Amino acid sequence: QSALTQPPSASGSPGQSVTISCTGTSSDVGGYNYVSWYQQHPGKAPKLIIYEVSNWPSGVPDRFSGSKSGNTASLTVSGLQPDDEADYYCSSYTVTNTLLFGGGTRLTVL
Amino acid sequence: QVQLVESGGGVVQPGGSLRLSCAASGFTYGMHWVRQAPGKGLEWVAFIRHDGSDKYYADSVKGRFTISRDNSKNTLYLQVINLRPEDTAVYYCARGGLTRVDYWGQGTLVTVSS
Repeated sequence: QSALTQPPSASGSPGQSVTISCTGTSSDVGGYNYVSWYQQHPGKAPKLIIYEVSNWPSGVPDRFSGSKSGNTASLTVSGLQPDDEADYYCSSYTVTNTLLFGGGTRLTVL
Repeated sequence: QVQLVESGGGVVQPGGSLRLSCAASGFTYGMHWVRQAPGKGLEWVAFIRHDGSDKYYADSVKGRFTISRDNSKNTLYLQVINLRPEDTAVYYCARGGLTRVDYWGQGTLVTVSS
């Protein structure tokens, strides 16, 4: 199964907002509200920042927000901070009882 | 504090086998293995329910990888056989339901090379 489609890169200046997209199909993103987002700093393990499209785990700031329309989910990072510079991955539950990740987006804070 | 500590990685020749282990705290949850090839993205590998009743695999590893758990030892396993160079990756043990990963270990590196 092919990875969910994410843009390879995104960027923004401190204080700005950036949105990262995650496109799948009706068998994954479009079929379920089980889209999650993860942040990974270089050399570190990923960290869950959004689950079930738009929910925050404890301790994650609300500068991170998620949404979905049809087969595309989105992560918006508002009020960009230098520490937001990282790789971001989406994932979705699929119709075949598997978990599918996106290819990842490298966010650069200019 | 959730703790997930992987072990068992190393260098193995093509066609070889390994067993990865993950010692976990709070083990009454579903568990995943997720891998990441050097410089590449995340790839989901397998999932097992909290009681071991159901197991699911990515097509790329089906038939070669086996996920299992010993709840009496709070330990998750991944038995891998017939390894290929493209299996070279950091393998993460992770906790969550089938729909997402909540917590990740620090990973163990498996290198398949002659």
